[in-house]
Amino acid sequence: GESVGLHLPTLSVQEGDNSIINCAYSNSASDYFIWYKQESGKGPQFIIDIRSNMDKRQGQRVTVLLNKTVKHLSLQIAATQPGDSAVYFCAERTGGGADGLTFGKGTHLIIQP
Amino acid sequence: EAQVTQNPRYLITVTGKKLTVTCSQNMNHEYMSWYRQDPGLGLRQIYYSMNVEVTDKGDVPEGYKVSRKEKRNFPLILESPSPNQTSLYFCASRLRFNQPQHFGDGTRLSIL
Repeated sequence: GESVGLHLPTLSVQEGDNSIINCAYSNSASDYFIWYKQESGKGPQFIIDIRSNMDKRQGQRVTVLLNKTVKHLSLQIAATQPGDSAVYFCAERTGGGADGLTFGKGTHLIIQP
Repeated sequence: EAQVTQNPRYLITVTGKKLTVTCSQNMNHEYMSWYRQDPGLGLRQIYYSMNVEVTDKGDVPEGYKVSRKEKRNFPLILESPSPNQTSLYFCASRLRFNQPQHFGDGTRLSIL
């Protein structure tokens, strides 16, 4: 199956609502996962990460959930704001000898006023 | 301010004319990487470096070279650029293996 894929290329939400962006990964050996945000004309910006020994991790307005049983990762953004409009990527690291992350193709989050 | 700086930000050039994209980080990070980003393909790693004088190929290394003579710098070299190397390039660094990358703001290369 596709490694580190995202279910939807575009997600539109109302300002103030919660957003949930999903990611599926196929490598059960992956031990570290990251969510990035990329605004237009900028490089990816780290949002939050989670290691495989955890199920949930919270940051400021963001929560990442990891379900290893079904190899699924999600990013929840509370009270979505206009500044949250961006492309969101998940990434996984297999923990093997080779460096590097495998990135998903991204979900474009659009905030409706 | 902690940052990864790439130069140039934009470049239009012609096939076969050697070019170098510089990357510098001021965070004393050991790990540095180069990625290219293409529509529908996401970010793909070109080369990475785990420390000074230690570099290795990523997923798409053909047509590229790198060097790591100093910890802070990791230039990307295209000896003979071709149109299929037209892309958006990102340099990234991180302190240790299992830590998030810090990315530069990208270099948009157009090879005619």
